[in-house]
Amino acid sequence: AQSVAQPEDQVNVAEGNPLTVKCTYSVSGNPYLFWYVQYPNRGLQFLLKYITGDNLVKGSYGFEAEFNKSQTSFHLKKPSALVSDSALYFCAVRDRVGGFKTIFGAGTRLFVKA
Amino acid sequence: DAGVIQSPRHEVTEMGQEVTLRCKPISGHDYLFWYRQTMMRGLELLIYFNNNVPIDDSGMPEDRFSAKMPNASFSTLKIQPSEPRDSAVYFCASSFGGQGTSGGNQPQHFGDGTRLSIL
Repeated sequence: AQSVAQPEDQVNVAEGNPLTVKCTYSVSGNPYLFWYVQYPNRGLQFLLKYITGDNLVKGSYGFEAEFNKSQTSFHLKKPSALVSDSALYFCAVRDRVGGFKTIFGAGTRLFVKA
Repeated sequence: DAGVIQSPRHEVTEMGQEVTLRCKPISGHDYLFWYRQTMMRGLELLIYFNNNVPIDDSGMPEDRFSAKMPNASFSTLKIQPSEPRDSAVYFCASSFGGQGTSGGNQPQHFGDGTRLSIL
């Protein structure tokens, strides 16, 4: 069965420091991988996706993610965190075959302190 | 461009009442999804449609829940009768499927949700 794991419920980082939000997945084949962000009282917003090719994907607001096939991971990163990055982050996977169903992780809450 | 529009934003009603949540997807999108978000269970996919046809409703919790998509620009999620455990934030999302192998990699666009409280 497909699954997504975000091992950390919460990540705390100081403003200006690099941040990493972890994601591992279990899907047969080569899935599409996504990161979304959710701010309070808002819907999820798309940040970036991995389709194929370069393992480092760049997305919105200075975020990037590193795909590692051998470790089945897709960690979200940012070189320098901002207080405004504080939000809930979701990793998601979708099989390339078998429909449009997307599996979301449980979410990781990021706190960036000034 | 207008995003996914959901109404109402908030709904408070008493147990046993019928609840109808509404969604207008982004024009041109051919996939529509309904999700439920709670602290305990996270984000759950309830049902999704392609070209107005339900494709997978395996996430619909009970017969009390039903969803329809009468046309490409409108969908409803109905709960009848409602129960306190249905209290959650319900999200609608839409996506463009496209042709061939490119469609499956398109992201979903979410509305801002309906916060439902059943007393």
